[in-house]
Amino acid sequence: EDQVTQSPEALRLQEGESSSLNCSYTVSGLRGLFWYRQDPGKGPEFLFTLYSAGEEKEKERLKATLTKKESFLHITAPKPEDSATYLCAVQAVGNAGKSTFGDGTTLTVKP
Amino acid sequence: NAGVTQTPKFQVLKTGQSMTLQCAQDMNHNSMYWYRQDPGMGLRLIYYSASEGTTDKGEVPNGYNVSRLNKREFSLRLESAAPSQTSVYFCASSEPAGDGQPQHFGDGTRLSIL
Repeated sequence: EDQVTQSPEALRLQEGESSSLNCSYTVSGLRGLFWYRQDPGKGPEFLFTLYSAGEEKEKERLKATLTKKESFLHITAPKPEDSATYLCAVQAVGNAGKSTFGDGTTLTVKP
Repeated sequence: NAGVTQTPKFQVLKTGQSMTLQCAQDMNHNSMYWYRQDPGMGLRLIYYSASEGTTDKGEVPNGYNVSRLNKREFSLRLESAAPSQTSVYFCASSEPAGDGQPQHFGDGTRLSIL
């Protein structure tokens, strides 16, 4: 059974204070690992897809990395508008595109 | 560009009532999904449709039924609502299933069962 564990559950940062969110996973053959951002009252919004260990993707202040067991979402010099819940999900090979989601990390950035 | 549209946005039901949640996507995606999200938890898959004309159970299908009406539309039905079905329901769509493509989500239906 595919599993995704995200830590910490909640993270409070001061504006400009860089940090990382963790996503540990077990999957029987990784087809892709996804990061999403979810704002209150909204659906998840796609950020990144990572396909193989060693891959990295960047977008503005966010950088996602992938190893064989975990992924990190690095946030550099965050701003209050980066406050949101960040969800990690995995798709396994041969699983018809179904994704298994973690419970998310709620990030709050104080000005 | 609307993406994934869900209706209604909010609904309150009494125990035992039935209702259908509607979802439509305009991205010409083959695969569609229904999830529920409970407070502090991630998304749990209820049903999915890999392509028009096919549907399959996900992790938590009990108490729900689905219909893939055409390529654009995928509806979720609660036949006899129970308080345990109080949740936020999200519909999503993606490019062909199994291709490692991300899912695109609607903004959800907030459902309360009294």
